[in-house]
Amino acid sequence: EVQLVESGGGLVQPGGSLRLSCAASGFTFSSSEMNWVRQAPGKGLQWVSYISASGDTIYYADSVKGRFTISRDNAKNSLYLQMNSLRAEDTAVYYCAREQPAGEFDYWGQGTLVTVSS
Amino acid sequence: SYELTQPPSVSVSPGQTARITCSGDALPKKYAYWYQQKSGQAPVLVIYDDSKRPSGIPERFSGSTSGTMATLTISGAQVEDEADYYCYSTDSSGNHRVFGGGTKLTVL
Repeated sequence: EVQLVESGGGLVQPGGSLRLSCAASGFTFSSSEMNWVRQAPGKGLQWVSYISASGDTIYYADSVKGRFTISRDNAKNSLYLQMNSLRAEDTAVYYCAREQPAGEFDYWGQGTLVTVSS
Repeated sequence: SYELTQPPSVSVSPGQTARITCSGDALPKKYAYWYQQKSGQAPVLVIYDDSKRPSGIPERFSGSTSGTMATLTISGAQVEDEADYYCYSTDSSGNHRVFGGGTKLTVL
């Protein structure tokens, strides 16, 4: 059974940092492209970042470029999102999602809540 | 930056056909995908590659595209289909992923 389990969310002050993790199981993680997607309270889905299976291709949404860093450890079947210089508008549930070669996100985690507030 | 535009809401009675549209300049060249999200849950893929249905998704869900518009059709909508629906695609480069703003479907 495919499972994606996010962790690392919590309350952080504006300007602070947080590192999210996504533990993957039930599939060959090292062959899978991965993404982070977020959803602010009561708002829609927003794509955040993409990383290729090997980690050598990375893309970011303009809203997080220069502040967030996506990475992965294929030996640990884990995906990460390092978030720096956090702002109130970064408050959201953060999901990790597997991307199939054809482009669809076929599996999602249940999300981890990040709250940026003083 | 690239945008996909959806209507904020669509409302139908049970058994009627619901159509949710999504417009984007790159849709003639890039596939559209549709996700269903019920309250408090993670999104679920209901249509991929414009019109393909994943296993386990009811046949009443279908997708189509015409020019710069993709459409999700729910034929004979059920009360349990009430949810937020998001279209998804990429920009013309294929590098940046983008979701539409979402459409709240009400079936009552």
